[in-house]
Amino acid sequence: EIVLTQSPGTLSLSPGERATLSCRASQSVSSYLAWYQQKPGQAPRLLIYDASNRATGIPPRFSGSGSGTDFTLTISSLEPEDFAVYYCQQRSNWPPYTFGQGTKLEIK
Amino acid sequence: EVQLVESGGGLVKPGGSLRLSCAASGFTFSNFIINWVRQAPGKGLEWVSSITTTSEYIYYADSVKGRFTVSRDNAKNSLYLQMNSLRAEDTAVYYCARDGPGGAAPGRGNFDYWGQGTLVTVSS
Repeated sequence: EIVLTQSPGTLSLSPGERATLSCRASQSVSSYLAWYQQKPGQAPRLLIYDASNRATGIPPRFSGSGSGTDFTLTISSLEPEDFAVYYCQQRSNWPPYTFGQGTKLEIK
Repeated sequence: EVQLVESGGGLVKPGGSLRLSCAASGFTFSNFIINWVRQAPGKGLEWVSSITTTSEYIYYADSVKGRFTVSRDNAKNSLYLQMNSLRAEDTAVYYCARDGPGGAAPGRGNFDYWGQGTLVTVSS
């Protein structure tokens, strides 16, 4: 089973700042990595798939990069609605699909 | 508009059973792989099961294998999760989530649409 480790656990930033979230896989997942955003009381929402492709309706301030074992989600300029929990997920070696433990992005 | 609506959650005693449903609309249900993903209170996401379009292939997480059974009825645009021998650690919000269609869009293993979830609580 591939283990995904996200860092940091919590990221405290202000609106307008740049956010950089990391996800590291225990073995290569090629580019088969997705990012999801989850707000309290809501279902997760797909942001990025296959490492760098934005899902439908996702604004361009969200970008993904990386391949192999190291991946990054970047939010170029934080909007108030971006404060949430972010999860990475791999689909390279399944079952099972696995998720990271999440990064909480909170307002500083 | 794509919609997935889960139902059937509730309070059940350890060792008991529960059947969850997921009603789909706004897309051709029979063309898509569907998944169950759960989230324990205050915790992260855990994939539970996947079922292919014709139910030919079904996959389970080790944590539920032998206790949970997933099925679908394409004529009713519905997905089901029969949960038996429930344990306290099965307490979670259960989401159904659609696999992406592929091509120029998210493909297999990318969960592009999710329901709002249904809460299952296993407690005596």
